[in-house]
Amino acid sequence: DGGITQSPKYLFRKEGQNVTLSCEQNLNHDAMYWYRQDPGQGLRLIYYSQIVNDFQKGDIAEGYSVSREKKESFPLTVTSAQKNPTAFYLCASSIARETGELFFGEGSRLTVL
Amino acid sequence: GQNIDQPTEMTATEGAIVQINCTYQTSGFNGLFWYQQHAGEAPTFLSYNVLDGLEEKGRFSSFLSRSKGYSYLLLKELQMKDSASYLCAVRPSGGYQKVTFGTGTKLQVIP
Repeated sequence: DGGITQSPKYLFRKEGQNVTLSCEQNLNHDAMYWYRQDPGQGLRLIYYSQIVNDFQKGDIAEGYSVSREKKESFPLTVTSAQKNPTAFYLCASSIARETGELFFGEGSRLTVL
Repeated sequence: GQNIDQPTEMTATEGAIVQINCTYQTSGFNGLFWYQQHAGEAPTFLSYNVLDGLEEKGRFSSFLSRSKGYSYLLLKELQMKDSASYLCAVRPSGGYQKVTFGTGTKLQVIP
């Protein structure tokens, strides 16, 4: 079945360590996104990519990095520069069109110890 | 900038009807989405409105008024499994990629 796979589902990290969250989709979507969700707040856009080898900063990109070497993959690295990384991270994809809804992965919950 | 307002929490009774409101102020408008999100899970798509009026999909309906910057999600014949957060999201004009989400409305369905 087509969908978006995120891994790991749960991740613990010590302060000062970088961590990479995986996101893979087989929906043949051009656009991919990373959102962060904190309790009591809406989803906030970290990075998005409209095409392979191109990506743009969202509203809260500081302390994060991404790559888009393949259409299917859009990994997110949470660096040690991110001051408050504990959150629920959601990857999404869509067709590159105005009416395209976002399809979400199951999410990755990162806890910094 | 973008601003989306939804009530934080609502409670409704099984079998009843509930209306969840969303008001928005955005730089241009190119569609409004409603998503359902159960605790700890991914949001799932419910509806998309770009023109004024009511869109019906089974027990769920969504309404849009662009002139008022207002939408609502109507859930009929509530079931216990409808207990979830409902997220309103707006796509501004000028770029399909920058979808902005509200904080969500947590709906509790009680027997």
